[in-house]
Amino acid sequence: EIVLTQSPGTLSLSPGERATLSCRASQRVSRSYLAWYQQKLGQAPRLLIYGTSSRATGIPDRFSGSGSGTDFTLTITRLEPEDFAVYYCQQYDTSTTFGGGTKVEI
Amino acid sequence: QIQLQESGPGLVKPSATLSLICSVSGGSISGYYWTWIRQPPGKGLEWIGYIYYSGTTNYNPSLKSRLTISVDTSKNQFSLKLSSVTPADTAVYYCARGLEMVYAFDAFDIWGQGTMVTVS
Repeated sequence: EIVLTQSPGTLSLSPGERATLSCRASQRVSRSYLAWYQQKLGQAPRLLIYGTSSRATGIPDRFSGSGSGTDFTLTITRLEPEDFAVYYCQQYDTSTTFGGGTKVEI
Repeated sequence: QIQLQESGPGLVKPSATLSLICSVSGGSISGYYWTWIRQPPGKGLEWIGYIYYSGTTNYNPSLKSRLTISVDTSKNQFSLKLSSVTPADTAVYYCARGLEMVYAFDAFDIWGQGTMVTVS
């Protein structure tokens, strides 16, 4: 099983700042099958990024994904008030697993 | 626009069987893989298993001995049964669909709202 480790656990930032979230895999994620989700309290996860760097439908361009192999990054260039939430990465190369999440708080 | 809706009891007794249904509306269940995912309170996401519209299944090894996922194409719905539940099975249960028809494992772009199941 591929274990995904997200860091930091919590990121404390202000609106307008840049957020950089990390997702590290225990083994190589081939074919760039890595996705990112945003989850707000009481809601289902919302797909942001798939295939490491492709934005899902309707996702603003302040969200971007990058990386390869075992190290992946989600960047939010300018935090909007609605971006404060928990973010999860997911690999779907070998079965599928999720990371433990990063909370982005004000 | 396709929508998913989970339904089932919110409270299940220990050692009983947890049963949930995911109803698919706004589109056909045919051609896709359909997945169950759960999230214990305050914790992360766990893949439970999937079913293809034709009936092929794949389960999380940690749940395999207790799990059955089935599909009813005539009703456009699929279901989950988890037997011998314990308080550790307490979670929000989501049904979801992947982006592409051809991939069993995929990014999930469509999710149900989730249903909280408490084992107590």
